[in-house]
Amino acid sequence: AQTVTQSQPEMSVQEAETVTLSCTYDTSESDYYLFWYKQPPSRQMILVIRQEAYKQQNATENRFSVNFQKAAKSFSLKISDSQLGDAAMYFCAYRPMGGSNYKLTFGKGTLLTVNP
Amino acid sequence: EPEVTQTPSHQVTQMGQEVILRCVPISNHLYFYWYRQILGQKVEFLVSFYNNEISEKSEIFDDQFSVERPDGSNFTLKIRSTKLEDSAMYFCASSEGIQETQYFGPGTRLLVL
Repeated sequence: AQTVTQSQPEMSVQEAETVTLSCTYDTSESDYYLFWYKQPPSRQMILVIRQEAYKQQNATENRFSVNFQKAAKSFSLKISDSQLGDAAMYFCAYRPMGGSNYKLTFGKGTLLTVNP
Repeated sequence: EPEVTQTPSHQVTQMGQEVILRCVPISNHLYFYWYRQILGQKVEFLVSFYNNEISEKSEIFDDQFSVERPDGSNFTLKIRSTKLEDSAMYFCASSEGIQETQYFGPGTRLLVL
């Protein structure tokens, strides 16, 4: 069974600084997707970034980028120039590619605090 | 930008009562999902739905749960006889295709007393 582990229950960062959130996963699949979702206090789950495992290039989305290390099964999220609005719970998620696999498997989340 | 919507935002019910949670997926999406998040815990998959039938379900999704797409826009989750442990945030999600990103609604917070 696939598992997703986020080893940092909480992180904090100063406004305008950079922070990295860690995620590791376990799978026997070779093709899959990885995601970071953000859940602000409003509780809505918002997609931050997506990575296909077959792509060697790390995904980026404005101030958000990932460091995808397939061999190490690691998928960290880097937030640059942190803003107060980045404060939220961040979930790493995994989903196999192909076949009839539909579900996302989530980690337990990392609560990010941004200090002014 | 199109988004998934859910109603109600909050629901309080008595144990043993039936509840129906409603979702309107993004209009051109074909795959629909329900997830739940018990307070302080991780988000868990419940069920996926495609072409008017369940395509995958978790062990959580037992006989007390059912899903339906009663018309061309709504997607519902029914809990037949609620238990205290059903108290959670329930998220609906949809995707355009099986390999496409799942977009989540704002959730319904269900409290069973």
